[in-house]
Amino acid sequence: GDSVTQMEGPVTLSEEAFLTINCTYTATGYPSLFWYVQYPGEGLQLLLKATKADDKGSNKGFEATYRKETTSFHLEKGSVQVSDSAVYFCALGGSGNTGKLIFGQGTTLQVKP
Amino acid sequence: DTGVSQDPRHKITKRGQNVTFRCDPISEHNRLYWYRQTLGQGPEFLTYFQNEAQLEKSRLLSDRFSAERPKGSFSTLEIQRTEQGDSAMYLCASSPGQGSYGYTFGSGTRLTVV
Repeated sequence: GDSVTQMEGPVTLSEEAFLTINCTYTATGYPSLFWYVQYPGEGLQLLLKATKADDKGSNKGFEATYRKETTSFHLEKGSVQVSDSAVYFCALGGSGNTGKLIFGQGTTLQVKP
Repeated sequence: DTGVSQDPRHKITKRGQNVTFRCDPISEHNRLYWYRQTLGQGPEFLTYFQNEAQLEKSRLLSDRFSAERPKGSFSTLEIQRTEQGDSAMYLCASSPGQGSYGYTFGSGTRLTVV
């Protein structure tokens, strides 16, 4: 079945460092791909999305490119801030028209000043 | 609109008791989803509604779990005879029904079974 695998955390970086969080997926067809972020005590928020191969999603300085050949959707940011500390989830849109999401296990990012 | 509301935020219950959670979606959204998230894991799909119809249930949803969405508005998730393994965060989300887009998640109900 469809699945998502993320790099294990926690990831600890200094402010202004470069961030990469790896995400790979297994799916039938061509699912949409998403990154969600969860700040402490808050609900999941959509960070960015890509709907087809080679699409690049971007938001708040974060980017991810839908790579069909490597079945990947890695999250990157050129210069992280302390306020980016959160848990990041990669997800794919399940097959069919249910709209359900299949999530990775999440990667905790801690940014130190 | 204040987004997706879930109540209560926290629930501690003794093993064997029944619990019920409520979710109020965004009013224009016709789809409503329930997910379960255990510590260190991503959310896992439980069930979803299109208006008042429950269209899919995960294998994770045992016979002790039941969900309703009367009149296609708010939804309730009931767990009967709770077990310690039910301890998790229960997330509700709603969407306008355009595939996997436009999700809005609530802040969740954290259940602890002691």
